[in-house]
Amino acid sequence: EPEVTQTPSHQVTQMGQEVILRCVPISNHLYFYWYRQILGQKVEFLVSFYNNEISEKSEIFDDQFSVERPDGSNFTLKIRSTKLEDSAMYFCASSPYDRVGGNTIYFGEGSWLTVV
Amino acid sequence: DAKTTQPNSMESNEEEPVHLPCNHSTISGTDYIHWYRQLPSQGPEYVIHGLTSNVNNRMASLAIAEDRKSSTLILHRATLRDAAVYYCILRVYSGGGADGLTFGKGTHLIIQP
Repeated sequence: EPEVTQTPSHQVTQMGQEVILRCVPISNHLYFYWYRQILGQKVEFLVSFYNNEISEKSEIFDDQFSVERPDGSNFTLKIRSTKLEDSAMYFCASSPYDRVGGNTIYFGEGSWLTVV
Repeated sequence: DAKTTQPNSMESNEEEPVHLPCNHSTISGTDYIHWYRQLPSQGPEYVIHGLTSNVNNRMASLAIAEDRKSSTLILHRATLRDAAVYYCILRVYSGGGADGLTFGKGTHLIIQP
């Protein structure tokens, strides 16, 4: 079964450093997403991406975050200057275009980011 | 996404059916009812969704009340692998799928052997 893959599975970085989290969405999907989950808290939506541009973003997704689809297969989340509070599990997800409603979103296993 | 209410936790025995309730009294006519689950240390996983009629798939069944103000996820024969947090989410069809899912705290399902 096709799946969303994410790398790295775990990254430790120093506060203030830039981090890039990488994802390979399911190949025929058109919508791509990033979510995060701080330890012990809810899964939170960050951003959705379609047709090479951001479709929607949450209040969490401020100027220190950016997303990119640099080629036909990868989807990346960049955090420019990491803060301690960015420590979280980051989930990439993808979905096909939904012509009817109620489309399914497929999530990766996550990248655990620890900022020290 | 409109708000849903779920019990914080539920416990069941292995190989017995599990009924996970969800209240969504402010649901609108275009809101789809989605269920996702999150196994320990994994990403969320789609379980099932529906609009008005009851739905079945290989993982579960979804029973939707006639007034759509509540729904129940049914696991017909729970296994230890079904121990997870189950999220009931309302999703408006906004055309294409740009909108993100709004996760609540969900129901922590504990399965006893």
